[in-house]
Amino acid sequence: GAVVSQHPSRVICKSGTSVKIECRSLDFQATTMFWYRQFPKQSLMLMATSNEGSKATYEQGVEKDKFLINHASLTLSTLTVTSAHPEDSSFYICSARDVASGRALHGDTQYFGPGTRLTVL
Amino acid sequence: KNQVEQSPQSLIILEGKNCTLQCNYTVSPFSNLRWYKQDTGRGPVSLTIMTFSENTKSNGRYTATLDADTKQSSLHITASQLSDSASYICVVSALGSQGNLIFGKGTKLSVKP
Repeated sequence: GAVVSQHPSRVICKSGTSVKIECRSLDFQATTMFWYRQFPKQSLMLMATSNEGSKATYEQGVEKDKFLINHASLTLSTLTVTSAHPEDSSFYICSARDVASGRALHGDTQYFGPGTRLTVL
Repeated sequence: KNQVEQSPQSLIILEGKNCTLQCNYTVSPFSNLRWYKQDTGRGPVSLTIMTFSENTKSNGRYTATLDADTKQSSLHITASQLSDSASYICVVSALGSQGNLIFGKGTKLSVKP
């Protein structure tokens, strides 16, 4: 099956520093990747949609200058949390959309990564 | 407003017992409905996905049902195991949503020995 990896799985950083999280589709090409944030006991909340080769589309209330997204290839998207603060501590999950023939069973199947736990001290 | 409501919020059952989780949605136009299992500290893993024309879909001990008329879905877990302890999330996709998914808040299931 389609596999999506994230790196690192967990990171602890000091307030004011920047952290980069990678999301890779390992066995398929993903023209679109999604970044979610999940706070404890809450559901996933979409932060932004990342399209390969173009600018990301951010959800309302998500600062694009704080959460930098780069989708330079069909298998890699990165999320950089700039000038991190303790309130940015959360579980960040990416998903990749596989629309290749044979997999597009429902046109928009998304496969989720294992998540990255960010703790800002 | 597109919404997905799940019940119960949490559930505790004994190992070996069956349970059913509920999902009601108001997403329109409807594309498909998925059930995911999310272990603590992990990303969601797909269990089932159903389109408008599908009433039931099984995946091992998991059976999902969909009633598109009443906009309700259920996930039935048979002969529960300790490893079934997780959050189960109902997710609905709208037609033309460009992949945007509407998530329920999940049901936290605890299976006790």
